[in-house]
Amino acid sequence: QSVLTQPPSVSAAPGQKVTISCSGSSSNIGNNYVSWYQQLPGTAPKLLIYDNNKRPSGIPDRFSGSKSGTSATLGITGLQTGDEADYYCGTWDSSLSAVVFGGGTKLTVV
Amino acid sequence: QVQLVQSGAEVKKPGASVKVSCKASGYTFTNYGTSWVRQAPGQGLEWVGWISGYNGNTNYAQKFQGRVTMTTDTSTSTAYMELRSLRSDDTAVYYCARDDSSTSREFWGQGTLVTVSS
Repeated sequence: QSVLTQPPSVSAAPGQKVTISCSGSSSNIGNNYVSWYQQLPGTAPKLLIYDNNKRPSGIPDRFSGSKSGTSATLGITGLQTGDEADYYCGTWDSSLSAVVFGGGTKLTVV
Repeated sequence: QVQLVQSGAEVKKPGASVKVSCKASGYTFTNYGTSWVRQAPGQGLEWVGWISGYNGNTNYAQKFQGRVTMTTDTSTSTAYMELRSLRSDDTAVYYCARDDSSTSREFWGQGTLVTVSS
């Protein structure tokens, strides 16, 4: 059971927009920055969003992040088939003194 | 460019130990910590622990305390993770990642598959 809760799967059509939620508590999301990762099959996670809403160099602005209270959201616009992947949220949990991740959300572009 | 290159796949018997290496390049190793994250087959990401590149301080996830040891060799910019008393449920891909902060990691190794099987 993951500390952060994500929906197991989401789907949308090419060109559309999708959002992925990540729910936590005051000991993690509520008081720490959130990051988001994309993992394509058989590859290492790739950082998409850090510090709630910042994008590393090279990440297109189709990807966005936001946080409100103890929840965070990843948004992806202009969906492409290449966006099909697993997406994970992550943060620090001050009570556990540990890095925590969500269980992951599988995005299908159909 | 920043690169993290991990050692190759391992097959171990239950009860054995495994030591995975992660060689960093493209940045000052002592300026960053290294986290280890594992992923069991078909499962999500699980943080194993962290080691400082500056002074070797460590912080292990409670689940692994007593079974894991993380070390560094600053002369070769290499981080190591040793996991002991291996069980079948330790079968996973183990990743190292550079800690940019406590909440994000931009650079990851390619992963090392550790298979525990009798």
